[in-house]
Amino acid sequence: SQQGEEDPQALSIQEGENATMNCSYKTSINNLQWYRQNSGRGLVHLILIRSNEREKHSGRLRVTLDTSKKSSSLLITASRAADTASYFCAPVIQGAQKLVFGQGTRLTINP
Amino acid sequence: EPEVTQTPSHQVTQMGQEVILRCVPISNHLYFYWYRQILGQKVEFLVSFYNNEISEKSEIFDDQFSVERPDGSNFTLKIRSTKLEDSAMYFCASSEQGSSYEQYFGPGTRLTVT
Repeated sequence: SQQGEEDPQALSIQEGENATMNCSYKTSINNLQWYRQNSGRGLVHLILIRSNEREKHSGRLRVTLDTSKKSSSLLITASRAADTASYFCAPVIQGAQKLVFGQGTRLTINP
Repeated sequence: EPEVTQTPSHQVTQMGQEVILRCVPISNHLYFYWYRQILGQKVEFLVSFYNNEISEKSEIFDDQFSVERPDGSNFTLKIRSTKLEDSAMYFCASSEQGSSYEQYFGPGTRLTVT
């Protein structure tokens, strides 16, 4: 299955703290993508990491990928109230023309 | 910044009626997608479209569904005879070069079937 499994299902932290979310998957992948969804809104692409990359940064986001363990993590540093959202990983297998989403991690940033 | 747009934002229809959901993908993108999200559930892939044909579809995308790119800018999803269980948010997405690249999602159309 192409689907990733996010962990934890829910995470609640104080503003300014760092948030770490994990993703596990079961197949060989071409790349892995992270998306954010604010309640009832469309998904927003955050970062794409290719299978030959181990770490990638974008602003306050840091993503790691360990293909030997079939896992990825998303770190959000210095969290803000606006980071409150659901976060999804989408492992993409070679040749696939779709994203498969799991239940996501619901992140709540408390002021 | 270019964005994917969708119309209408909310559509209410009666069971058995046909609906057409419209999307305008980002102009230089070549791959187009539809996803849906039933309230409280995860986002589910419906169909991908490239070079004027379906490249992949899910089990959900049965004969009641069809997609079309009627002109150079619009991408539509038609549900021929709506059912109560078709009530969901429908998201359109587009990508520059397929799954090796990120997908850009529209804001969604909320479809309510009564």
